[in-house]
Amino acid sequence: GEDVEQSLFLSVREGDSSVINCTYTDSSSTYLYWYKQEPGAGLQLLTYIFSNMDMKQDQRLTVLLNKKDKHLSLRIADTQTGDSAIYFCAEDPNSGGYQKVTFGIGTKLQVIP
Amino acid sequence: ETGVTQTPRHLVMGMTNKKSLKCEQHLGHNAMYWYKQSAKKPLELMFVYSLEERVENNSVPSRFSPECPNSSHLFLHLHTLQPEDSALYLCASSQESGSGANVLTFGAGSRLTVL
Repeated sequence: GEDVEQSLFLSVREGDSSVINCTYTDSSSTYLYWYKQEPGAGLQLLTYIFSNMDMKQDQRLTVLLNKKDKHLSLRIADTQTGDSAIYFCAEDPNSGGYQKVTFGIGTKLQVIP
Repeated sequence: ETGVTQTPRHLVMGMTNKKSLKCEQHLGHNAMYWYKQSAKKPLELMFVYSLEERVENNSVPSRFSPECPNSSHLFLHLHTLQPEDSALYLCASSQESGSGANVLTFGAGSRLTVL
């Protein structure tokens, strides 16, 4: 079955770059996602990447996809205290239709001022 | 009001109580979901409703009973729960399309504590 793995915790200093890593098992995944959960809130989509891409950049966020190794990463440049949250990696084997997304456990990012 | 709204935000119940969680979406989406979020566990998909029909039921115990009366509303009825059911229950919605990424929009969750 599908499985998405992430480390539980990451601590960085304000202004540094953060890199959150994820591995997944379903090679048929069409889209891979990063969601952010702030305290007391639900998950919010940050960005996603289509499986035929290997990189996507969106302002301070860079997503790298290594499809051969089934490895996804999220880099946050110039990390700010407002970036402190839990970051979820997710994969979806479908294209269209309702979502049968598999989420990871979430990586808690702590930004030290 | 826009987005996905969940009520109540916090609920404490005894093991013999019956309660319900409510979710409402104002996005015109045609699919709705219940997820369970427990500490140090991946998000667990519980139920999916697509076009008001239940299309996914991931081996969830019968003490959880979903209801989708229309495309904007989703309920989770709770009955004789166990302490291990204490968790954050997240509702989400999405718009089905023929292709492309379907993004989930989540509510803020209902924090359930079972005594």
